[in-house]
Amino acid sequence: AQRVTQPEKLLSVFKGAPVELKCNYSYSGSPELFWYVQYSRQRLQLLLRHISRESIKGFTADLNKGETSFHLKKPFAQEEDSAMYYCALRKGSGAGSYQLTFGKGTKLSVIP
Amino acid sequence: DADVTQTPRNRITKTGKRIMLECSQTKGHDRMYWYRQDPGLGLRLIYYSFDVKDINKGEISDGYSVSRQAQAKFSLSLESAIPNQTALYFCATSDTLTGNEQFFGPGTRLTVL
Repeated sequence: AQRVTQPEKLLSVFKGAPVELKCNYSYSGSPELFWYVQYSRQRLQLLLRHISRESIKGFTADLNKGETSFHLKKPFAQEEDSAMYYCALRKGSGAGSYQLTFGKGTKLSVIP
Repeated sequence: DADVTQTPRNRITKTGKRIMLECSQTKGHDRMYWYRQDPGLGLRLIYYSFDVKDINKGEISDGYSVSRQAQAKFSLSLESAIPNQTALYFCATSDTLTGNEQFFGPGTRLTVL
Protein backbone atom coordinates (compact mmCIF):
# COMPACT_ATOMS: atom_id res chain seq x y z
CA ALA A 1 0.00 0.00 0.00
CA GLN A 2 1.10 3.54 -0.62
CA ARG A 3 2.37 5.69 2.20
CA VAL A 4 3.25 9.36 2.65
CA THR A 5 5.67 10.45 5.36
CA GLN A 6 6.15 13.97 6.63
CA PRO A 7 8.87 13.64 9.26
CA GLU A 8 8.38 17.02 10.92
CA LYS A 9 5.24 17.76 12.92
CA LEU A 10 6.33 21.35 13.49
CA LEU A 11 8.79 23.56 11.65
CA SER A 12 9.65 27.03 12.91
CA VAL A 13 11.64 29.48 10.78
CA PHE A 14 12.34 33.18 10.89
CA LYS A 15 10.80 35.53 8.38
CA GLY A 16 13.05 35.77 5.34
CA ALA A 17 14.72 32.43 5.98
CA PRO A 18 14.46 29.54 3.52
CA VAL A 19 11.82 26.90 4.11
CA GLU A 20 11.86 23.22 3.24
CA LEU A 21 8.97 20.95 4.21
CA LYS A 22 9.90 17.34 3.69
CA CYS A 23 7.72 14.68 2.11
CA ASN A 24 8.71 11.13 1.28
CA TYR A 25 6.47 8.52 -0.26
CA SER A 26 6.39 4.82 -0.89
CA TYR A 27 4.54 3.55 -3.92
CA SER A 28 5.70 1.11 -6.57
CA GLY A 29 3.95 2.78 -9.51
CA SER A 30 3.97 6.29 -10.94
CA PRO A 31 2.17 8.51 -8.46
CA GLU A 32 0.84 12.02 -8.69
CA LEU A 33 1.97 14.18 -5.77
CA PHE A 34 0.25 17.22 -4.26
CA TRP A 35 0.80 19.76 -1.52
CA TYR A 36 -2.32 20.99 0.27
CA VAL A 37 -2.34 23.88 2.75
CA GLN A 38 -4.71 24.75 5.58
CA TYR A 39 -4.48 28.30 6.90
CA SER A 40 -5.93 29.11 10.29
CA ARG A 41 -9.74 28.94 10.25
CA GLN A 42 -9.80 28.14 6.54
CA ARG A 43 -10.52 25.00 4.62
CA LEU A 44 -7.90 22.77 3.10
CA GLN A 45 -6.88 23.89 -0.38
CA LEU A 46 -4.51 22.76 -3.07
CA LEU A 47 -1.17 24.59 -3.10
CA LEU A 48 0.53 22.82 -5.98
CA ARG A 49 0.88 19.54 -7.80
CA HIS A 50 3.98 18.03 -9.33
CA ILE A 51 2.63 17.63 -12.86
CA SER A 52 2.08 21.38 -13.14
CA ARG A 53 5.68 22.20 -12.32
CA GLU A 54 4.55 25.66 -11.22
CA SER A 55 5.42 28.05 -8.43
CA ILE A 56 2.55 29.12 -6.20
CA LYS A 57 3.02 31.87 -3.59
CA GLY A 58 6.75 31.43 -4.07
CA PHE A 59 6.63 27.70 -3.24
CA THR A 60 8.03 25.01 -5.51
CA ALA A 61 8.25 21.25 -5.22
CA ASP A 62 10.12 18.80 -7.41
CA LEU A 63 9.31 15.14 -7.62
CA ASN A 64 12.47 13.09 -7.11
CA LYS A 65 11.63 9.55 -8.09
CA GLY A 66 15.05 8.24 -7.14
CA GLU A 67 14.70 9.47 -3.58
CA THR A 68 10.90 9.10 -3.58
CA SER A 69 10.58 12.63 -2.29
CA PHE A 70 8.46 15.70 -3.00
CA HIS A 71 9.84 18.38 -0.72
CA LEU A 72 8.19 21.82 -0.63
CA LYS A 73 10.56 24.77 -0.77
CA LYS A 74 10.44 28.52 -0.56
CA PRO A 75 13.54 30.72 -0.56
CA PHE A 76 12.21 33.44 1.76
CA ALA A 77 9.49 32.66 4.29
CA GLN A 78 6.72 35.17 4.96
CA GLU A 79 4.50 35.42 8.04
CA GLU A 80 1.45 34.60 5.94
CA ASP A 81 2.99 31.23 5.12
CA SER A 82 2.26 30.03 8.65
CA ALA A 83 -0.18 27.15 8.19
CA MET A 84 -0.58 23.39 8.21
CA TYR A 85 0.86 21.70 5.14
CA TYR A 86 -0.10 18.25 3.90
CA CYS A 87 1.64 16.19 1.28
CA ALA A 88 -0.68 13.84 -0.62
CA LEU A 89 -0.27 11.04 -3.14
CA ARG A 90 -2.62 9.77 -5.80
CA LYS A 91 -2.02 6.40 -7.36
CA GLY A 92 -1.30 6.72 -11.05
CA SER A 93 -3.69 4.02 -12.20
CA GLY A 94 -5.74 1.02 -11.20
CA ALA A 95 -8.28 0.52 -8.46
CA GLY A 96 -8.58 3.44 -6.11
CA SER A 97 -6.54 5.69 -8.35
CA TYR A 98 -8.69 8.69 -7.53
CA GLN A 99 -8.10 8.46 -3.81
CA LEU A 100 -5.59 10.67 -2.06
CA THR A 101 -3.33 9.35 0.66
CA PHE A 102 -2.27 12.16 2.98
CA GLY A 103 0.74 12.54 5.19
CA LYS A 104 0.25 13.52 8.81
CA GLY A 105 1.02 17.14 8.12
CA THR A 106 3.65 19.69 9.11
CA LYS A 107 2.76 22.86 10.93
CA LEU A 108 4.87 25.74 9.65
CA SER A 109 5.35 28.67 11.97
CA VAL A 110 7.10 31.75 10.59
CA ILE A 111 8.55 33.90 13.34
CA PRO A 112 8.47 37.68 12.69
CA ASP B 1 -19.46 30.75 -6.49
CA ALA B 2 -19.70 26.99 -6.72
CA ASP B 3 -18.98 25.56 -3.33
CA VAL B 4 -18.82 22.61 -0.96
CA THR B 5 -20.88 23.05 2.19
CA GLN B 6 -21.21 20.96 5.33
CA THR B 7 -23.87 20.86 8.01
CA PRO B 8 -23.71 21.09 10.93
CA ARG B 9 -20.45 22.95 11.49
CA ASN B 10 -20.25 21.88 15.11
CA ARG B 11 -21.99 19.08 16.97
CA ILE B 12 -21.75 17.71 20.47
CA THR B 13 -23.43 14.40 21.13
CA LYS B 14 -23.41 11.53 23.56
CA THR B 15 -22.09 8.01 23.28
CA GLY B 16 -24.56 5.70 21.53
CA LYS B 17 -26.42 8.40 19.63
CA ARG B 18 -26.92 8.26 15.87
CA ILE B 19 -25.44 11.23 14.06
CA MET B 20 -25.64 12.34 10.43
CA LEU B 21 -23.26 14.80 8.84
CA GLU B 22 -24.29 16.27 5.53
CA CYS B 23 -22.33 17.51 2.56
CA SER B 24 -23.67 19.40 -0.43
CA GLN B 25 -21.86 20.73 -3.46
CA THR B 26 -22.73 23.04 -6.32
CA LYS B 27 -19.58 22.32 -8.30
CA GLY B 28 -21.17 19.65 -10.45
CA HIS B 29 -18.44 17.18 -9.52
CA ASP B 30 -19.17 13.48 -9.70
CA ARG B 31 -16.77 12.30 -7.00
CA MET B 32 -17.27 12.93 -3.32
CA TYR B 33 -15.24 11.93 -0.28
CA TRP B 34 -15.43 11.91 3.51
CA TYR B 35 -12.28 12.31 5.63
CA ARG B 36 -11.59 12.69 9.31
CA GLN B 37 -8.77 14.82 10.63
CA ASP B 38 -7.12 14.08 13.96
CA PRO B 39 -4.17 15.94 15.47
CA GLY B 40 -0.96 14.17 14.56
CA LEU B 41 -2.71 11.75 12.23
CA GLY B 42 -3.51 13.98 9.28
CA LEU B 43 -6.49 13.22 7.06
CA ARG B 44 -7.78 9.70 6.68
CA LEU B 45 -10.33 8.61 4.10
CA ILE B 46 -13.56 7.13 5.46
CA TYR B 47 -15.68 6.61 2.34
CA TYR B 48 -15.76 7.81 -1.23
CA SER B 49 -18.25 7.79 -4.07
CA PHE B 50 -17.70 8.18 -7.79
CA ASP B 51 -21.37 8.57 -8.63
CA VAL B 52 -24.78 7.98 -7.11
CA LYS B 53 -24.58 4.22 -7.60
CA ASP B 54 -20.97 3.84 -6.47
CA ILE B 55 -19.90 3.75 -2.82
CA ASN B 56 -16.50 2.57 -1.64
CA LYS B 57 -14.89 2.07 1.73
CA GLY B 58 -11.80 4.03 2.57
CA GLU B 59 -9.06 3.43 5.08
CA ILE B 60 -11.20 3.73 8.23
CA SER B 61 -14.83 2.90 7.41
CA ASP B 62 -15.65 0.85 10.54
CA GLY B 63 -18.36 2.54 12.59
CA TYR B 64 -19.46 4.76 9.70
CA SER B 65 -21.92 4.51 6.83
CA VAL B 66 -22.69 6.83 3.93
CA SER B 67 -25.50 7.67 1.56
CA ARG B 68 -25.20 9.37 -1.83
CA GLN B 69 -28.69 10.76 -2.21
CA ALA B 70 -27.92 12.69 -5.37
CA GLN B 71 -24.89 13.78 -7.32
CA ALA B 72 -24.73 16.87 -5.14
CA LYS B 73 -25.29 15.26 -1.73
CA PHE B 74 -23.20 12.82 0.29
CA SER B 75 -24.07 12.08 3.92
CA LEU B 76 -21.96 10.42 6.59
CA SER B 77 -23.64 8.58 9.47
CA LEU B 78 -22.34 7.36 12.77
CA GLU B 79 -24.82 4.68 13.78
CA SER B 80 -23.76 4.60 17.41
CA ALA B 81 -21.27 7.31 18.20
CA ILE B 82 -18.29 6.60 20.46
CA PRO B 83 -15.79 9.03 22.02
CA ASN B 84 -12.91 8.07 19.72
CA GLN B 85 -14.97 9.35 16.80
CA THR B 86 -14.44 12.85 18.15
CA ALA B 87 -12.67 14.58 15.26
CA LEU B 88 -12.92 17.17 12.51
CA TYR B 89 -14.74 15.73 9.49
CA PHE B 90 -14.20 17.02 5.97
CA CYS B 91 -16.14 16.43 2.80
CA ALA B 92 -14.38 16.88 -0.54
CA THR B 93 -15.27 16.72 -4.23
CA SER B 94 -13.39 16.26 -7.48
CA ASP B 95 -13.75 15.25 -11.09
CA THR B 96 -11.52 14.59 -14.06
CA LEU B 97 -11.92 18.14 -15.35
CA THR B 98 -10.25 19.49 -12.21
CA GLY B 99 -7.20 17.38 -12.83
CA ASN B 100 -8.12 15.30 -9.81
CA GLU B 101 -7.72 18.26 -7.47
CA GLN B 102 -10.00 17.78 -4.48
CA PHE B 103 -12.06 20.70 -3.17
CA PHE B 104 -12.79 20.63 0.52
CA GLY B 105 -15.72 21.77 2.61
CA PRO B 106 -15.24 23.86 5.77
CA GLY B 107 -15.38 20.87 8.09
CA THR B 108 -17.66 19.64 10.87
CA ARG B 109 -16.28 19.49 14.38
CA LEU B 110 -17.86 16.51 16.15
CA THR B 111 -17.48 15.85 19.86
CA VAL B 112 -18.77 12.60 21.33
CA LEU B 113 -19.06 12.66 25.11
